[in-house]
Amino acid sequence: KAGVTQTPRYLIKTRGQQVTLSCSPISGHRSVSWYQQTPGQGLQFLFEYFSETQRNKGNFPGRFSGRQFSNSRSEMNVSTLELGDSALYLCASSRTDVAGELFFGEGSRLTVL
Amino acid sequence: KQEVTQIPAALSVPEGENLVLNCSFTDSAIYNLQWFRQDPGKGLTSLLLIQSSQREQTSGRLNASLDKSSGRSTLYIAASQPGDSATYLCAVIQTGANNLFFGTGTRLTVIP
Repeated sequence: KAGVTQTPRYLIKTRGQQVTLSCSPISGHRSVSWYQQTPGQGLQFLFEYFSETQRNKGNFPGRFSGRQFSNSRSEMNVSTLELGDSALYLCASSRTDVAGELFFGEGSRLTVL
Repeated sequence: KQEVTQIPAALSVPEGENLVLNCSFTDSAIYNLQWFRQDPGKGLTSLLLIQSSQREQTSGRLNASLDKSSGRSTLYIAASQPGDSATYLCAVIQTGANNLFFGTGTRLTVIP
């Protein structure tokens, strides 16, 4: 059974650009959530989607957005990139709609120059 | 706001030793607590999930306990091996939310 797949694994952007990251959850999982990991702030919650609806959002500026498709795949977008957006972006999926066990992908490492 | 703390931040032990990692959280209204390990530059691997109604979970050499009323969890690793070297993270899902609140992690090094 395939795990959570994130693409791309690594990417380099410059300030002001935008980026789109993709996440394919484990087959049958309908909940997808995104987290940002940085050395200074640790792991912080970005947002969570279930059945194409954003159910929960963390404390991030509006430059961070996401969406979920009917096949449960999800994308997140960061516009007008800043140096501080450099981080490992992790996607997690869960089978249940409430408080289920989360399974994470390998992450997308974004470097903003 | 839920705050999750892990002590110690780093731990170094000789191979074969048993060890305990600690996790504390400020709000006891949680759905569950999950332990993960993270290898350098990698994603998170789920180790154990403890529902709020449970006291402990075991998987192989790992045993996690939960004392919700005191806001504490421990991860016990028996007979440590060099392959156990990683950062261990605990996280809680708070009642009424569906996202994880993470601790800052414990970096474990097992010396051969």
